[in-house]
Amino acid sequence: NAGVTQTPKFRVLKTGQSMTLLCAQDMNHEYMYWYRQDPGMGLRLIHYSVGEGTTAKGEVPDGYNVSRLKKQNFLLGLESAAPSQTSVYFCASSRRETQYFGPGTRLLVL
Amino acid sequence: SQQGEEDPQALSIQEGENATMNCSYKTSINNLQWYRQNSGRGLVHLILIRSNEREKHSGRLRVTLDTSKKSSSLLITASRAADTASYFCATEAGQAGTALIFGKGTTLSVSS
Repeated sequence: NAGVTQTPKFRVLKTGQSMTLLCAQDMNHEYMYWYRQDPGMGLRLIHYSVGEGTTAKGEVPDGYNVSRLKKQNFLLGLESAAPSQTSVYFCASSRRETQYFGPGTRLLVL
Repeated sequence: SQQGEEDPQALSIQEGENATMNCSYKTSINNLQWYRQNSGRGLVHLILIRSNEREKHSGRLRVTLDTSKKSSSLLITASRAADTASYFCATEAGQAGTALIFGKGTTLSVSS
């Protein structure tokens, strides 16, 4: 069981570039989440999904899009990256209340 | 906006001592959870306490919940150097699985 995996681990982007972060889970969880974590802050929810084909906005959704075409995958897209999106991004999945987290993707936008 | 506020922001203790972290929140909740994050890693779930529970134990962890004061505490007994990490409380207010709201965390440093 790999649990929750995230690709890539680290990425540097220039302002205006686009990219997609991939999250995969092998626990057959219904719920999946994308968070961002900034220095000195807790995690803030970007988007989440309660099942295949569904997505919903979290606390800080602006500048991000998501898709959940397959139950095991949850993609986070940045269409036009901005320096304010420099952060560590965490994906998580859950069956009910307890969430299982991936190792994170560190993104630097120059 | 963040629901939980941990206190203190940072805590330094010696191995063998107990560590207590507090969390306050703003709205009614279904449950409150504590997570640990080692430096540069993802979060790991430690313990969940439901709104109708007052205290819960798991190994060296003891969690209390006071819904009248909208607060919780996490006690780690007989701390070890390996307990060095950031600890976050997270609250769930809506339907199960919809969203957790995290606090900013307490950074615990345990020296040997």
